[in-house]
Amino acid sequence: AQTVTQSQPEMSVQEAETVTLSCTYDTSENNYYLFWYKQPPSRQMILVIRQEAYKQQNATENRFSVNFQKAAKSFSLKISDSQLGDTAMYFCAFDLNTDKLIFGTGTRLQVFP
Amino acid sequence: KAGVTQTPRYLIKTRGQQVTLSCSPISGHRSVSWYQQTPGQGLQFLFEYFSETQRNKGNFPGRFSGRQFSNSRSEMNVSTLELGDSALYLCASRKELNTEAFFGQGTRLTVV
Repeated sequence: AQTVTQSQPEMSVQEAETVTLSCTYDTSENNYYLFWYKQPPSRQMILVIRQEAYKQQNATENRFSVNFQKAAKSFSLKISDSQLGDTAMYFCAFDLNTDKLIFGTGTRLQVFP
Repeated sequence: KAGVTQTPRYLIKTRGQQVTLSCSPISGHRSVSWYQQTPGQGLQFLFEYFSETQRNKGNFPGRFSGRQFSNSRSEMNVSTLELGDSALYLCASRKELNTEAFFGQGTRLTVV
């Protein structure tokens, strides 16, 4: 069975600092997609960053970047220059090319001024 | 461009009743997926529809059903509600396979 594990239930970081959220997953498939979603108190899930498993280059999106280690089945999210608006739940998810997202349990990130 | 719209935003129902939730995808998106979010179980996939056909289904009892209309709007129905069905129900739409899923703000269902 495919699973996603986020081992950090809560994290905190000071404004302008850098924080890394961890994610590991388990699948025997070779072709899949990985995502980080953000869910602020408004509840709406927002895509932060996306990585295709066949691409070796790590995805980046402004202050957000990933460290994708396919052999280790690891997909961590680095947030640089943290901002107060980054405070949210962050979910790691993957998709086996089926339009079915499998989510981790989430990491609650608090950014302090 | 309007986002994914879910109605209603909040709902309170009594055990044993049934409920219908609605999701209007982004214009041009033909895939609609439904997820249940609870503190205990996290985010779980319910089902996915594409062009009025259910393509994928999660591990939920038959009390949970859905459908998609020709305009891509989707509804999900839960019959014989149980207390454990209390959750945030999220809908997501995609233009095509493996593209970004855009989520609605969800419907908060409380079963009393």
